[in-house]
Amino acid sequence: EVQLVESGGGLVQPGGSLRLSCAASGVTFTTSWFNWVRQAPGKGLEWVASINQDGSQKYYVDTVKGRFTISRDNDKNSLYLQMNSLRAEDMAVYYCATDIGYFTLDYWGQGTLVTVSS
Amino acid sequence: QSALTQPPSASGSPGQSVTISCTGTSSDVGKYNYVSWYQQHPGKAPKLMIYEVNKRPSGVPDRFSGSKSGNTASLTVSGLQAEDEADYYCCSFGGSSPFGTGTKVTVL
Repeated sequence: EVQLVESGGGLVQPGGSLRLSCAASGVTFTTSWFNWVRQAPGKGLEWVASINQDGSQKYYVDTVKGRFTISRDNDKNSLYLQMNSLRAEDMAVYYCATDIGYFTLDYWGQGTLVTVSS
Repeated sequence: QSALTQPPSASGSPGQSVTISCTGTSSDVGKYNYVSWYQQHPGKAPKLMIYEVNKRPSGVPDRFSGSKSGNTASLTVSGLQAEDEADYYCCSFGGSSPFGTGTKVTVL
């Protein structure tokens, strides 16, 4: 059974930083693309970032470029999202998801809530 | 680039069918057969329902079907059941905003 478990969310002040983690099990981690997708309260899904199998290719939505960094540790079966210079508009539930190719996200975690507020 | 366009809401009575549209451009929906659909119940993670326009993952009822014509993809839910009431999102490869705006399906 595939399980993706996000952690690291919480309350942070504007301009602050957080590091999200996603622990994967039941999936062949080293052969999987991964994505971070977020959902602001009451809003739709928004793709945030993608990373390929060995971490050599990374893609970001324009609004987080230069502030967020996606990374992975294949030895620990873990995905990360380092978020710096956080803004109110970054407040959302952040999901990690496996990608079987061409933005087909077959497994999702339960999400972790990031609240940006002073 | 804007998100793919979906109607905000759709509804149908139990047993009826409902079809949700997803309009993109010739750079995403119109160019690639990589359209997927996700179901999301309140407070839950999205679930993949359709991929590559019309393929169903294992375990998804055959009441769910997908199609595409030009720049518009569609999801049809036949034989509506109470548990189908949820938000539905389309997604397409090729754009910088791959997800649709979302459609809330209500079972009357």
